[in-house]
Amino acid sequence: NAGVMQNPRHLVRRRGQEARLRCSPMKGHSHVYWYRQLPEEGLKFMVYLQKENIIDESGMPKERFSAEFPKEGPSILRIQQVVRGDSAAYFCASSGQDSYEQYFGPGTRLTVT
Amino acid sequence: KQEVTQIPAALSVPEGENLVLNCSFTDSAIYNLQWFRQDPGKGLTSLLLIQSSQREQTSGRLNASLDKSSGRSTLYIAASQPGDSATYLCAVPTQGGSEKLVFGKGTKLTVNP
Repeated sequence: NAGVMQNPRHLVRRRGQEARLRCSPMKGHSHVYWYRQLPEEGLKFMVYLQKENIIDESGMPKERFSAEFPKEGPSILRIQQVVRGDSAAYFCASSGQDSYEQYFGPGTRLTVT
Repeated sequence: KQEVTQIPAALSVPEGENLVLNCSFTDSAIYNLQWFRQDPGKGLTSLLLIQSSQREQTSGRLNASLDKSSGRSTLYIAASQPGDSATYLCAVPTQGGSEKLVFGKGTKLTVNP
């Protein structure tokens, strides 16, 4: 029973490049959440998606960040024109239709040089 | 605005000791509270989820209690072991049954052999 999968686990990008982070939810889960953990800070909510729908993106920076969860395939968090301040661990979580319990993936650690 | 505070920020104990981690939240109108464990450089592992109608949940040597009216939860770890060393995070929904979680900054626990 595979858990939440994220790839890549580590990603290095130069300033100005694009970063694409992928998340495959647990089998049977249709809700996906993205959180960001900056160094020495707690996890902060970014966006909540269901298949083909963005339900809540109140935690997403207004520019350069976007997320999608297509009908087929993983959820993608995309960061355009990365800056040093985007360096962080990005975690994806999923939950089922009838439960609030969120299960987290191992995270993607983004380093912007 | 929901805020979560965890005390202490760090705790170091000898093996075998029983210990209590504290979590407080400002908005008591929550549907549930979740405790997680995070190992260095790793993702989050869900430990316990307490529904608002419950006062406590137990899993092995872990016991979590919830007092909604006072905005507090405690995680009790019995007979601590070096393998329990990790950061423990408490999370609640931003409001009511919201799917967005607000996290505390965690308690970093070190259990010394």
